[in-house]
Parts: sequence; C-alpha cells; structure tokens
Amino acid sequence: DAGVIQSPRHEVTEMGQEVTLRCKPISGHNSLFWYRQTMMRGLELLIYFNNNVPIDDSGMPEDRFSAKMPNASFSTLKIQPSEPRDSAVYFCASIKGRESGRNEQFFGPGTRLTVL
Amino acid sequence: DAKTTQPTSMDCAEGRAANLPCNHSTISGNEYVYWYRQIHSQGPQYIIHGLKNNETNEMASLIITEDRKSSTLILPHATLRDTAVYYCIAPVYYNQGGKLIFGQGTELSVKP
Repeated sequence: DAGVIQSPRHEVTEMGQEVTLRCKPISGHNSLFWYRQTMMRGLELLIYFNNNVPIDDSGMPEDRFSAKMPNASFSTLKIQPSEPRDSAVYFCASIKGRESGRNEQFFGPGTRLTVL
Repeated sequence: DAKTTQPTSMDCAEGRAANLPCNHSTISGNEYVYWYRQIHSQGPQYIIHGLKNNETNEMASLIITEDRKSSTLILPHATLRDTAVYYCIAPVYYNQGGKLIFGQGTELSVKP
C-alpha cells in the first residue's frame, strides 16, 4: 500500500497566485482530512469529508480557501489568491471508516507551501 | 473534544522507558484517549488508543487511571528514533468521521 499520497511535496509561489494541493487517500478509506501546520498555530484541522461529502469546514480560515473531493480517490485544497501568511505545511489524512473507537488516521507526507 | 494537558517537553535516556503523562480531567464516558506522534518533518502517526482498560501494542503501552482523568503512554525501551512530539487527544463523536483536535503535545528527546 502506497499510503496517503500528496503532491506537490514543495510549492513556492508568489503572493496573489492560485495554489492547488492534491491528495490521494488510501484505497478503501472513506474519510479524508486536511490539516495545516505552522510554528505559531500548531496542527489545525481545516476540513474533513465523509464519503466525499464535506462534513465540517469550520477550520477553513477564509473564503480564499476551498476544498473538493470529486471522488473517493482524490481531493484538492485550493488557495486563491495566496498570501504570505498561508505559508505552512499542509497535511492530508484518511481513515477507513467508523469502526467503534477506531480513529487511526493515516497522514500523508505533507506539502510545504511557501508564499513569497 | 475533552481538554488534554501535557508537559511541554521531556527527556529520556536511550534504552530506558519513556513515560509520557496526559491529564484529561473533563473526559466523558464515551471519549477515547488517543496518542499520536510526529517525527520532525513527517506527518503524525497513530500510536495507540484506549477507553477504560490498559492497552498494549507493538509500539507502546497505554495506562489509563480508573477514574479516566489521566493516562500515561509508555515506550518501554526508547530509541533515538522515538524523538518526536507526542500528542494526547480525547476526541468526541469518534463515530462521526473521526475529527481530531491536536494540542501542542510533548516534545520527547531521547538522548544517547
């Protein structure tokens, strides 16, 4: 199993540009999560999906951020327009399902975003 | 999520047991205790979880007090590769998608 796959691993862009981060969850997993990590704020949950449906997007910082999950094997997190304060490591994670008490999220390697 | 409190940092000698405490005094009856760790520059990794009983797996042991207000993660023979930030989490509604809220965690340094 390849695990959760994220691309790109590193992204450097200029302020105002559109950024798209991609995630492929583990096959058979039906929940997907997007997190952001910075030194100042730690690891923050942005949004999560169950069966491709967004369930909780309360962590999305503002309207510049949007996330989609068009099918069970792919999700995107888009920032438009990007700002320097969006610089962070963005993690995607997936989980198999709602097994009682089971919450073993598998994280991808992350995308390190730098907005100049 | 129930609020959890962990020490900011801890040191441990290589080969010795690392005991990482966590307070979760407001935990309710249906809230599990989860432990994750994050090695530098990597994504977090699940370690173990429990509800009432002590648990053990290939990575660690989890000791939960009888009143469930605190727990201890034990790495029986810490190695240098166990140096990481360890997160104790008590999520609610685990059966509604698995939302986790990460705090600041404990930065464990295993020293030779």
